Amino acid sequence: ETGVTQTPRHLVMGMTNKKSLKCEQHLGHNAMYWYKQSAKKPLELMFVYNFKEQTENNSVPSRFSPECPNSSHLFLHLHTLQPEDSALYLCASSQDFRGNGLAGFTGELFFGEGSRLTVL
Amino acid sequence: QKEVEQNSGPLSVPEGAIASLNCTYSDRGSQSFFWYRQYSGKSPELIMSIYSNGDKEDGRFTAQLNKASQYVSLLIRDSQPSDSATYLCAVTITGTASKLTFGTGTRLQVTL
Repeated sequence: ETGVTQTPRHLVMGMTNKKSLKCEQHLGHNAMYWYKQSAKKPLELMFVYNFKEQTENNSVPSRFSPECPNSSHLFLHLHTLQPEDSALYLCASSQDFRGNGLAGFTGELFFGEGSRLTVL
Repeated sequence: QKEVEQNSGPLSVPEGAIASLNCTYSDRGSQSFFWYRQYSGKSPELIMSIYSNGDKEDGRFTAQLNKASQYVSLLIRDSQPSDSATYLCAVTITGTASKLTFGTGTRLQVTL
């Protein structure tokens, strides 16, 4: 069983659809992240959750809506997306030893295999 | 100005040679620096971290940090074809210790 599991691995959706990406981590970590990876662009941090609380929203459009019901699960709800939102969406987890998302981060992110999203 | 800059490559080196990957960053207050490796079609994985000026060695990998020049590098000795991947430089930005800012990555090709 891999440490961070993402489903679905591939998703094609129209601009009017609503879909969700799911991420589950089996590492006992307390922080989870959504990153967007587009061709020739740096990995973009979208959201950070620490102990289920959102600690970072990196100016992400409201058509992306995260949900973190517990420390092991993270969702990204998608609605009315645009073609430029097509990308690889990576979920990651980490252990924050201080528990405040500030000083206890080791820098080691454990990534899932990603969900390749295509918006038509 | 980009926060973390890397040459996108590809950087081509023959098998057995030293590969040198470079990264510059804009935030003088950055404290933590990381190298991630990403194979084609796979997710990034951490291979090196460095926090203080100087060199840090781990097997065939050496990370070098120069905070005065805002420069961090990764050397791979005795390069192998299995080292062919994209190498991502990541930096923590001041005030956001749990947030990594990534460069675009350098694609390394190790040729036979």
